[in-house]
Amino acid sequence: QVHLVQSGAEVKKPGASLRVSCKASGYSFTSYDMNWVRQAPGHGLEWIGRVNPHRGSTDYAENFQGRVTMTTDTSTGTAFLDLNSLRSGDTAVYYCAMAGHHYLKGSLDYWGQGTQVIVS
Amino acid sequence: DIQMTQSPSSLSASVGDRVTITCRASQSINNYLSWYQYKPGKAPRLLIYAASGLESGVPSRFSGSGSGTDFTLTISGLQPDDFASYYCLQTYNSARLTFGGGTRVEIK
Repeated sequence: QVHLVQSGAEVKKPGASLRVSCKASGYSFTSYDMNWVRQAPGHGLEWIGRVNPHRGSTDYAENFQGRVTMTTDTSTGTAFLDLNSLRSGDTAVYYCAMAGHHYLKGSLDYWGQGTQVIVS
Repeated sequence: DIQMTQSPSSLSASVGDRVTITCRASQSINNYLSWYQYKPGKAPRLLIYAASGLESGVPSRFSGSGSGTDFTLTISGLQPDDFASYYCLQTYNSARLTFGGGTRVEIK
């Protein structure tokens, strides 16, 4: 059974850096991209980017270019989201998500539980 | 990037109502479109994959249709548990996924 378990809530100062982890289990970690999505108060769901654990390649949304880095540790099956130069607008719940059964069409059927991040 | 225009942004409905939410893509995305339900404090839940496929475990009152640029999510017989926000997501451009703006379904 697939499980994505994220790290705990964070409170950060403006200008600081953030790292959120997502530990995967129940499937071949290197076979599927890991996506990151956030939901800020009063805003909708926003795709941040994705990382391919096998190749280490990444794609980022334009809004985050230059501030975000996504990596993986294949030895532990963990994906990481790093976001720097934090500002109040980065206050959000951050999710990792992957397309498992529906990888051909990319539908995200597995999600982490979310990590609350407050920048204040 | 492919833009996803979702409407309405919010709606009020009663239990038992039929609800329709639409998403329009700025270019053809074939059927690379999925729908999600979101409740605060919970992870988004996949409802519909590949525009019209019902995800396992999702009640049959949820249905999706469309292809190309225009897509619809229908809830036939709204239930109390369905009051939530709904989002479409295009995955045609897998290097730049984009969500619709969301639809908040509220109790009338």
